[in-house]
Amino acid sequence: DPKIIQKPKYLVAVTGSEKILICEQYLGHNAMYWYRQSAKKPLEFMFSYSYQKLMDNQTASSRFQPQSSKKNHLDLQITALKPDDSATYFCASSQQGGTGNTLYFGEGSRLIVV
Amino acid sequence: GQQVQQSPASLVLQEGENAELQCNFSTSLNSMQWFYQRPGGSLVSLFYNPSGTKHSGRLTSTTVIKERRSSLHISSSQTTDSGTYLCALDQGGRALIFGTGTTVSVSP
Repeated sequence: DPKIIQKPKYLVAVTGSEKILICEQYLGHNAMYWYRQSAKKPLEFMFSYSYQKLMDNQTASSRFQPQSSKKNHLDLQITALKPDDSATYFCASSQQGGTGNTLYFGEGSRLIVV
Repeated sequence: GQQVQQSPASLVLQEGENAELQCNFSTSLNSMQWFYQRPGGSLVSLFYNPSGTKHSGRLTSTTVIKERRSSLHISSSQTTDSGTYLCALDQGGRALIFGTGTTVSVSP
């Protein structure tokens, strides 16, 4: 059974709309992350949270907002969607934040913006 | 420029052949992590390797910090090894920096 659940797996959205990507982890981890993978680009770090607090944000646009309602949840709200936002968004978690911690990834949410 | 470079970009193997995947980095390193990405998306951690050599089944990871490189060796490849192998630089306290990956295709 997957220990990191991402919903939805696939999503088609209209330019200008708003969507929320859901992530729940059942590994008992304290740190959670969002990464983005676009065509022909390396997996790109977006956010990291530790004990529900934002630790690092390398996303330039404020259109991307992480939301952590519980320790094992880290959702990603994306507003004013653009075609360039089309990508697969991966949620990950680790026992603790910082160095030396193995990351565990979810299956990804594939977003297409038309 | 790209801080983590992987080579080759793609590799075609006949089942049973060995392969060596390279990862070179241009910045300071706390450790190197190797991941396998299944066709279709999900990533699986293979190694966390700060230095030296580590083994797991038919896979071997070697990190040489002074030379700013890490390698992943696949021995006796199988069709189930097909997928993309990603290395990621752990700089300590910050996010992992991923390479662009090596896509491996193993035919029977």
